[in-house]
This record gives sequence, C-alpha cells and structure tokens, in this order.
Amino acid sequence: DAGVTQSPTHLIKTRGQQVTLRCSPKSGHDTVSWYQQALGQGPQFIFQYYEEEERQRGNFPDRFSGHQFPNYSSELNVNALLLGDSALYLCASIKRLAGEETQYFGPGTRLLVL
Amino acid sequence: GDSVTQMEGPVTLSEEAFLTINCTYTATGYPSLFWYVQYPGEGLQLLLKATKADDKGSNKGFEATYRKETTSFHLEKGSVQVSDSAVYFCALSGLNTNAGKSTFGDGTTLTVKP
Repeated sequence: DAGVTQSPTHLIKTRGQQVTLRCSPKSGHDTVSWYQQALGQGPQFIFQYYEEEERQRGNFPDRFSGHQFPNYSSELNVNALLLGDSALYLCASIKRLAGEETQYFGPGTRLLVL
Repeated sequence: GDSVTQMEGPVTLSEEAFLTINCTYTATGYPSLFWYVQYPGEGLQLLLKATKADDKGSNKGFEATYRKETTSFHLEKGSVQVSDSAVYFCALSGLNTNAGKSTFGDGTTLTVKP
C-alpha cells in the first residue's frame, strides 16, 4: 500500500513567482490537509480539502489556495511568493475508523524562495 | 486559540537513559492529543495518541498519559536507543474539529549517543 506522496521534493523559486505543489493521498483516504513547517518550528495548518471543497482553513492569506480532484489528490498553490514562504510543505491524508481520525503525512516539499 | 508548548531542546541522552519530553496545552473543551516523530529528511509519523482524559497512549516503548487536571501530555520512554534520535512533536486537535486540523508544538530534538 503506497503512502502519501508529494511532488516535487525540492523547489527553488524567486520572489513574486507562483508555485504549485502536489499530493496523492493513501488509497481510500478522501481528505487531505496541508501544513507549512518553517525551519525549527512545528507544522502550521493551511487548509483541508474534502469532496473537492475547502472544508477548513488556518490563518493563511488568500495567496494560498488549493484544489482537490475527483481521485482525491490535491494541489497547493501559492501566488506572489515571499521570502517568508520558504518552508517544508507537508500534505496529510486522513483515515477515519470507528469515529476516530488519523493523519498520515507525506515526506514534504521543501520550497526555497530567493 | 489552541496552543501547545513543548519543553525546549535539544535533548541529549546516553543509550538506555530515561526520556521525558514535557508537553502542555491550552484548548477549549476536550481535545485529542498526539505525539508525532520526524526523522531526518522525512515527514511526520504518528507515534501515539490519546482521545480522552486519563487515557494512556503507547507505542514502541513510548508512553504518554492525557492529564486534564494539569493540561499535560508528557512523552516518556524507559530506555532510549540511538535509533530514537529524531524530532518529537506534541499536537492537539480540538473538539468538533478533526485530526486533520491539528495544532503543533515547535518540536523537541532528541539525540541519543551510544
């Protein structure tokens, strides 16, 4: 059973550019969450997608947007990149069982903005 | 809002030493509590969890007990190994939300020396 996969693994962009990150959840998982992890800090919740719609959102500006496809895979888009957007971006897919939910994280995409 | 405070690191121990990493939280209601581990270059892996007061989560020799009276969820292991070297994150998800919208602490780096 394949785990959560993310692409690309690393990315270098310049300020003002736009970036798209991709995530494929584990088989059978229909919900995807995205997190931003700055160096030396814990992950911060960006948003969550379920049934192709944004279900919850953290405290991130509208420059951060996403999409979920019918096969449950997801994209994170960041416009007008800032130096402060440099971070590890983590995708997690959610398993629901007996009323409990468990997150499974991918390896992340490391974004460097110059 | 919800928050998680972890003991500052880094923590360096000798093999077979006893480990405690402190975690306290602030949240409304009765959150679920989690410990995740992140090995170098990898995403986060769920280590253990507890969903209600006095529950004890355990996995791979690690344990943590949900203490509502002290709002704590300290991680312990009786005898650490070199392979336990990693970054450990305490996290919570609040009532009426889900595990896919978690609040994380800033992580504690553990190094175990032979």
